[in-house]
Amino acid sequence: NAGVTQTPKFRVLKTGQSMTLLCAQDMNHEYMYWYRQDPGMGLRLIHYSVGEGTTAKGEVPDGYNVSRLKKQNFLLGLESAAPSQTSVYFCASSYSTRGYGYTFGSGTRLTVV
Amino acid sequence: GQQLNQSPQSMFIQEGEDVSMNCTSSSIFNTWLWYKQDPGEGPVLLIALYKAGELTSNGRLTAQFGITRKDSFLNISASIPSDVGIYFCAGQLIQGAQKLVFGQGTRLTINP
Repeated sequence: NAGVTQTPKFRVLKTGQSMTLLCAQDMNHEYMYWYRQDPGMGLRLIHYSVGEGTTAKGEVPDGYNVSRLKKQNFLLGLESAAPSQTSVYFCASSYSTRGYGYTFGSGTRLTVV
Repeated sequence: GQQLNQSPQSMFIQEGEDVSMNCTSSSIFNTWLWYKQDPGEGPVLLIALYKAGELTSNGRLTAQFGITRKDSFLNISASIPSDVGIYFCAGQLIQGAQKLVFGQGTRLTINP
């Protein structure tokens, strides 16, 4: 009963490098989300998906891309990492029915040097 | 965009004390949620509120959905060491993708 699993848990990138963060959920949730968490700013929505094959921009989408080729997976890509993308990234998923809230993964701590 | 103002930003209390934190918004939400985040983990849902005026308890935790639908509060009674963490409020709109808007968080520290 894994819930939401994020990989990797930690990563250090050099400026300009690219990487993909993987989120997998086993709850058959329709909706999936990527948030970033920075000190004193709460969690801010990067991108989200309301179903397989769909993606949409959130509050802070610049510098990120996403894909949802399979219902259970939601990938977050950084094409050219910048120090401003140093953050903790959280994936979450939810049912499409009325607000039961999200189930979050345990996060990926990314440092861009 | 929508913003939630959560206060206080941090609290330092003695074990056994009661805690109160609140969240206000300029927007109306259909659902208010309260999450707790432990170090190195993702937020975990504590309480969900679905109707204006609703008062809901979960053990020592009590939360209320404001009448105006623009605010909510969370109380923790008789705090214990495991209550340490960051508490987030979140407002949710049911329409569309049910995106959550989060407050900035309240960091709770407890002195034994």
